[in-house]
Amino acid sequence: DIQMTQSPSSLSASVGDRVTITCRASQNINTYLNWYQQKPGKAPKLLIYAASTLQSGLPSRFSGGGSGTDFTLTISSLQPEDFATYFCQQSYSSPRTFGQGTRLEIK
Amino acid sequence: QVQLQQWGAGLLKPSETLSLACSVSTGSFSGYDWSWIRQSPGKGLEWIGDINHFGDTNYNPSLKSRVTISLDRSKNQLSLNLKSVTAADTAVYYCAREVLWFRELLYQNHYYFDYWGQGTLVTVSS
Repeated sequence: DIQMTQSPSSLSASVGDRVTITCRASQNINTYLNWYQQKPGKAPKLLIYAASTLQSGLPSRFSGGGSGTDFTLTISSLQPEDFATYFCQQSYSSPRTFGQGTRLEIK
Repeated sequence: QVQLQQWGAGLLKPSETLSLACSVSTGSFSGYDWSWIRQSPGKGLEWIGDINHFGDTNYNPSLKSRVTISLDRSKNQLSLNLKSVTAADTAVYYCAREVLWFRELLYQNHYYFDYWGQGTLVTVSS
């Protein structure tokens, strides 16, 4: 199985900050990488697919980048509704695997 | 707007069979794969398996011996059975739609989960 490792595990930031979350794959997965946001008690919500394509209807402050083994999710200017947990997921091979999550908290 | 509505027993004893169902609002399974995913504090998000509209299944090797995923087109319903549960199977279980997006420029097939059920907490305890 492909292991997905996110860093940091948790992050404190303020409204208006720019934040970047990193995801590393245990092998080359090209751009077969997705990002999700999850709020307490809710299902994950798709943010970014194919490493850099923003899901329709979502604000442009979310962006994704990277290829191969190293990927980033950047939120350019944090809004109150962005405080949540973020997961990466590889779709390069089966079984699909997820990162352990990055919890973004209000400073 | 696609809606996935889940239901099933939330409390099981060890060795029992977990059975969950997921109703799909759009009325058609065609063109998509349908997955079950679970989430626990200890293991995080874990993909259990999927089924396509032909009924072909693909399971996580770690659970393959105990899992059955099926679909009932007449009811627009997806089902999960997991037998011989233990406390390690305690988790929130989600159904999700997996979409194929073809990136023409690079000739790549990308998959992602775009719609999820609301989640069902299943607790295994004696």
